[in-house]
Amino acid sequence: EVQLVQSGAEMKKPGDSLRISCETSGYKFFAYWIAWVRQMPGKDLEWMGIIYPADSDTRYSPSFQGQVSISVDKSISTAYLQWSSLRASDTAMYYCVRHSITVAGTFDYWGQGTQVTVSA
Amino acid sequence: IMMTQSPATLSVSPGERATLSCRASQTVSSNLAWYQQKPGQAPRLLIYGASTRATGIPARFSASGSETEFTLTISSLQSEDFAVYYCQQYTNWPLLTFGGGTKVEIK
Repeated sequence: EVQLVQSGAEMKKPGDSLRISCETSGYKFFAYWIAWVRQMPGKDLEWMGIIYPADSDTRYSPSFQGQVSISVDKSISTAYLQWSSLRASDTAMYYCVRHSITVAGTFDYWGQGTQVTVSA
Repeated sequence: IMMTQSPATLSVSPGERATLSCRASQTVSSNLAWYQQKPGQAPRLLIYGASTRATGIPARFSASGSETEFTLTISSLQSEDFAVYYCQQYTNWPLLTFGGGTKVEIK
């Protein structure tokens, strides 16, 4: 069974650094692109970027380029989303998602989401 | 590519038909997917290729369209169908974009 299990909710202050994780299982981790999607409170879904675990090829949405960093650890089939300096506007739910291998560009499996709250 | 969904909210009685629209700012061919999101849950893939149901999706969900105009139809709304629905284009991979969503609520 394919599973994407994300790390728990985080409460941080502006300026803090943060790394959230997405542990995958049930499939060949290195063979599927993994993406991160942001959902701000009451708002729509925003694609942030993707990574190909086999070679760590990473692409970012222009809206998020330079704001976050996406990485993987192939040895533990886990993807990461990282901030070096959080802002209040980063408060949102973050989902890791697996790109379908049969219909490139669609998301066939989703993590449960990680709520990030940034407040002074 | 910008995706615009309408209406923002749709009030429908159980058993009735719901029709949701999605418009792309430029052609996306048939590279269009629909997702369903229930409160407190992650989205779920419903439709890809503009009209193909994903695995396990009931036949009451159908979709059509191409280029810039797309429609998702739920033929007879069940209680579990009240949710937010998002369209997503993937013609411009990896620059993927979602619509703003349509909330289907109980009338």
